[in-house]
Amino acid sequence: QLQLQESGPGLVKPSETLSLTCTVSGGSISSSSYYWGWIRQPPGKGLEWIGSIYYSGSTYYNPSLKSRVTISVDTSKNQFSLKLSSVTAADTAVYYCARLVNYYDSSGYLEYYGMDVWGQGTTVTVSS
Amino acid sequence: SYVLTQPPSVSVAPGQTARITCGGNNIGSKSVHWYQQKPGQAPVLVVYDDSDRPSGIPERFSGSNSGNTATLTISRVEAGDEADYYCQVWDSSSDHQVFGGGTKLTVL
Repeated sequence: QLQLQESGPGLVKPSETLSLTCTVSGGSISSSSYYWGWIRQPPGKGLEWIGSIYYSGSTYYNPSLKSRVTISVDTSKNQFSLKLSSVTAADTAVYYCARLVNYYDSSGYLEYYGMDVWGQGTTVTVSS
Repeated sequence: SYVLTQPPSVSVAPGQTARITCGGNNIGSKSVHWYQQKPGQAPVLVVYDDSDRPSGIPERFSGSNSGNTATLTISRVEAGDEADYYCQVWDSSSDHQVFGGGTKLTVL
């Protein structure tokens, strides 16, 4: 049974870089059928997609965060990571990692079957 | 960028049918996924690709998608269905995953 587990500091100072890692267990991160993503949820608010990565290193980022986000993958450790730079209080949130099931439609375009496995989430607070 | 619009709240009595809508420009041309999130828990995928259910999700959960509106339907609502529900699509024109704002389902 595939499991995802987020890890990283729960407190980050303003202007510093938030760094989180998602460890995948019970399956390989190097499958052609999946992307791996980060999603966050500020207190009392909705879900926001941060970005996604394929095992080859191909990435997609939320345009509103793109200038501050880097997502990387380490297939040898079965992990992928998030770095968010120049954080402010607005980046305080629960951060989730998730598996995205992907396929290519009849026209060859990338499509998804949703985010079918999620980590439990980790709370990150930005405060001095 | 692509925008998904959900009603903030929906209320329904136990045993009745709840319908949660997700509006978007020509959303019928996209594949819509729905998530259930209970307080303090991670989201759970309950419907994918408009109307398919992952294994373990009750048949009471169903979905449809046409025109500018996708709908999650929960039949024979139970107290345990009380949660926040989010719709989500992949906007291929901008290579961007998009979530709706979420709908709080209250079971009266």
